[in-house]
Amino acid sequence: DTAVSQTPKYLVTQMGNDKSIKCEQNLGHDTMYWYKQDSKKFLKIMFSYNNKELIINETVPNRFSPKSPDKAHLNLHINSLELGDSAVYFCASSLGPLSYEQYFGPGTRLTVT
Amino acid sequence: SQQGEEDPQALSIQEGENATMNCSYKTSINNLQWYRQNSGRGLVHLILIRSNEREKHSGRLRVTLDTSKKSSSLLITASRAADTASYFCATVPAGTASKLTFGTGTRLQVTL
Repeated sequence: DTAVSQTPKYLVTQMGNDKSIKCEQNLGHDTMYWYKQDSKKFLKIMFSYNNKELIINETVPNRFSPKSPDKAHLNLHINSLELGDSAVYFCASSLGPLSYEQYFGPGTRLTVT
Repeated sequence: SQQGEEDPQALSIQEGENATMNCSYKTSINNLQWYRQNSGRGLVHLILIRSNEREKHSGRLRVTLDTSKKSSSLLITASRAADTASYFCATVPAGTASKLTFGTGTRLQVTL
């Protein structure tokens, strides 16, 4: 029944490691997103894909690489993790890229030590 | 820089009272959305108001939009303890796709 799911829910890792977060939506939406929420609860968009094509790419370090194998999945791979990458990462989806409401996953809390 | 600023940052009321949160933004928008985030959870979409609309209702929620002042308000009537959460406004700037830009959020505490 879960609409937008993310794995893992928690991720604790050391600086310098490489990790991935997976996201899947079963809503039949065309557009998916990755957001980062910092410790002050500020939420900022990182990437957006529409039907497997990148449409939004904010100023994110190139250590972050999204991959969309199909329109129901959007994964986030992070290389050479840094302390400042610690945050909660949310995946979201929407019907399309044109101003629709977005449906969010439960979040992945990443802690880099 | 962030698009939306919410006011107040925190609000504490008793059950049954009304809660009003305000959001200001900086540039022209296509639409403005309000989301709720319960502690440790993802965001849940509450309501969307388009730039040519002035007011919208959904159950106990009432949203207003004043594009001349670049501001919006969310009113929750007859609040319940279950309304305790953080509330965020998010804007889609005019001429863009679904690039939501979130405000700073208002933390609402509803006590019995």
